[in-house]
This record gives sequence, structure tokens and C-alpha cells, in this order.
Amino acid sequence: DQQVKQNSPSLSVQEGRISILNCDYTNSMFDYFLWYKKYPAEGPTFLISISSIKDKNEDGRFTVFLNKSAKHLSLHIVPSQPGDSAVYFCAARQGGAQKLVFGQGTRLTINP
Amino acid sequence: EAGVTQFPSHSVIEKGQTVTLRCDPISGHDNLYWYRRVMGKEIKFLLHFVKESKQDESGMPNNRFLAERTGGTYSTLKVQPAELEDSGVYFCASSQDLGSGYTFGSGTRLTVV
Repeated sequence: DQQVKQNSPSLSVQEGRISILNCDYTNSMFDYFLWYKKYPAEGPTFLISISSIKDKNEDGRFTVFLNKSAKHLSLHIVPSQPGDSAVYFCAARQGGAQKLVFGQGTRLTINP
Repeated sequence: EAGVTQFPSHSVIEKGQTVTLRCDPISGHDNLYWYRRVMGKEIKFLLHFVKESKQDESGMPNNRFLAERTGGTYSTLKVQPAELEDSGVYFCASSQDLGSGYTFGSGTRLTVV
């Protein structure tokens, strides 16, 4: 029973364009969502997060949108740069619990 | 500030053998977590230590896995005996307090043959 799903295993985007990564969740008790970025042979690094009381959070080129009614969030990267090529994981947390529930990841490739 | 350090980076063992993974968290971080990613799938929670105590071990797959955190510092995760399905990348993470984000280590890639 996978509670966080990233249905696109891979995504290819041209440099300078917008990258949109999607994530769906099933557990309505999740109240905090995070995006992590992972390069090969490295651990995931935190990118951006959003609380369930908000519908948008922006940090530089990165924006996360949350649609609670649809149980859907997305990460927008604009403009996309070659260094953004990595695997992106969506994660969720419930209440005071510290454990994160991750999706399967989406491999983003930015083409020059 | 040194990051989260994991040893070894890679380990190849035969089915039935024992392997011990080690994690050194960031100094001063009371919270330590173990996660695992199997076969390119999602990263799954294994357990959470607060200092030397197991706060949540709901993700431990079975009793072949034993995690310890000596004196609230480094942690070890022992797999005994290892099975083929234990292959994957084991990540450790730490955080200073419950409200702060995690810092992950680079992981240990375990291959059971």
C-alpha cells in the first residue's frame, strides 16, 4: 500500500524550460510535504517543503504547489538548468510523526 | 561541520552471512534515522532513534535486522542472516530536533548474492 506515488519514473526537459514533477498521496492525515533531490552515489538533499495550511511555497527557481482536495502536489523548476538533472523524491509526514513516507522518485534530465 | 557519515559505502556478501552497517550522525544531533531503498523503488523508513532509545521501529522488516545506537552517538544496523531481498541502499539521516529537517548520509549499497 503505497501512500505517496510519483507516477512518472523519468522526465526530460530542455534547458531553460519549466520542469514540472508530480506527486500524489492517499493519506489525508499527511500535513507536511517535502521534496528531496538526489544525485548518484549521494544521499537525498532537502529542496523545498510545504505545510498543508498553504497551497504554494516558493524558493528561488523552485515552487511547490499543494492541492489538498486532489491530494496532489507538484514541484516546478524554472528555468531548468543542467545541474538540476537528478532524481527527485516527494515525501510526506503525518502530524508529529518524524518518519517520512517517500515516493519512488522521478529522474529528471535537463538537455542542453 | 562534518555531515552524516556511513560505512562502508559498498558491501557485497553471500546469502546467510552477517553484515553490519555503521552511521555517524552530525555531532549533537539527537535524532537518527535509518531508511532503505530497494531496487530503485521508494525510500522506506526503517527506524528512528532519539539519543540511544528507539522511538519508532515500525519499519523494521523482520527480526533479522538489529539496530543499536551506543551512547546516543553512532548507530549500527546489523543484518543476520542476510537474504537476497535485503539488497539495496541503506541511508542514515540525522536531525538536531524534531522540527528540523534531516541530513542524509551518502548511503551504503548492500548486495547480497
